[in-house]
Amino acid sequence: KAGVTQTPRYLIKTRGQQVTLSCSPISGHRSVSWYQQTPGQGLQFLFEYFSETQRNKGNFPGRFSGRQFSNSRSEMNVSTLELGDSALYLCASSWERTSNTGELFFGEGSRLTVL
Amino acid sequence: GEDVEQSLFLSVREGDSSVINCTYTDSSSTYLYWYKQEPGAGLQLLTYIFSNMDMKQDQRLTVLLNKKDKHLSLRIADTQTGDSAIYFCAESVDTDKLIFGTGTRLQVFP
Repeated sequence: KAGVTQTPRYLIKTRGQQVTLSCSPISGHRSVSWYQQTPGQGLQFLFEYFSETQRNKGNFPGRFSGRQFSNSRSEMNVSTLELGDSALYLCASSWERTSNTGELFFGEGSRLTVL
Repeated sequence: GEDVEQSLFLSVREGDSSVINCTYTDSSSTYLYWYKQEPGAGLQLLTYIFSNMDMKQDQRLTVLLNKKDKHLSLRIADTQTGDSAIYFCAESVDTDKLIFGTGTRLQVFP
């Protein structure tokens, strides 16, 4: 069974640009969550999608957005990039509700560097 | 508020036990988790404990939960060099949102 796949793995952007990251969950999983990992702030929850609906959102500015498609694949977008957006963006999928078992399956992440 | 704290570093000798500690603040958390992150990789769930339990053992891993003090610990018996990684505790505060700790970097030396 294929794991969570995130693309691209690495990317470099400049301030002011926008970026789209993609996540393909494990087959059959319907919930996709996104987390931002930085050395200073650690792991922070961005948002969670289930059946194309955003169910929960973290404390990030509106420049951060996401969506989920009917096949459960998800994308997140960051517009008007700032230096502080440099981070590892992790996607995780689960069957339905995280709290049922706590088992989030994480991808290897997309490492974004903003210059 | 939502805040999960861990010590930053732990260094142990191979074969010894490791104990990684975590304190959390949300007493309504249903589950508490331990995740492991190896260099260049995502997070892997090691184990979790339901909030009405005080201990869970899974092979070399033992999780202790003191709900009164909001303290969670992970003990790794017979620590191996392959256990070197960053360990995160996490709590569920909403049904689909985890609050992660700051992470503890475990270094195992021969």
